Amino acid sequence: NAGVTQTPKFRILKIGQSMTLQCTQDMNHNYMYWYRQDPGMGLKLIYYSVGAGITDKGEVPNGYNVSRSTTEDFPLRLELAAPSQTSVYFCASTRPGEYQPQHFGDGTRLSIL
Amino acid sequence: DAKTTQPTSMDCAEGRAANLPCNHSTISGNEYVYWYRQIHSQGPQYIIHGLKNNETNEMASLIITEDRKSSTLILPHATLRDTAVYYCIAINSGGSNYKLTFGKGTLLTVNP
Repeated sequence: NAGVTQTPKFRILKIGQSMTLQCTQDMNHNYMYWYRQDPGMGLKLIYYSVGAGITDKGEVPNGYNVSRSTTEDFPLRLELAAPSQTSVYFCASTRPGEYQPQHFGDGTRLSIL
Repeated sequence: DAKTTQPTSMDCAEGRAANLPCNHSTISGNEYVYWYRQIHSQGPQYIIHGLKNNETNEMASLIITEDRKSSTLILPHATLRDTAVYYCIAINSGGSNYKLTFGKGTLLTVNP
């Protein structure tokens, strides 16, 4: 059981480039999340989704876009990369039900130069 | 969600119990206490959660005081692989759609 898989693990982008961070889960979880974690800091929620076709903004959505065409996949798109988006990005998922824990991938380390 | 306070760092000898405290004096009656940890360069990992009763699973035990103003996470036999930052969070959510907000957490260093 792979859980939550994120690709790539590392990436360096130039300012203004675009890329998509991939996230897939094989646990049939309805809810999925994208967080970013800056060095020495906690998590900040970027976007989340409660099911296929449904997404919503978190705390820091500017500069990002998401889509959820299937239950398994929740890609995060950076359209015009900026140095402020240098961070570690984590995808998480959880199943319906009260107080279910979130399961995380191992992150994508993104540097924008 | 209630604010939680944890020590910045703790040390523990390998094989001994690690007891990590958390203060959540403003916790409300319907907020659960969750513990996650983050091993260096990995994603956060769920450990355990509870409301008011003590809880135990294969990873740890959670002891919540009767007034629910504090709790202790216990790793009964710490190993070197338990070295991580441990986060205590109070979450009010009747469903599973909730945002995780980590503070600074406690850096637990398990020494050989």
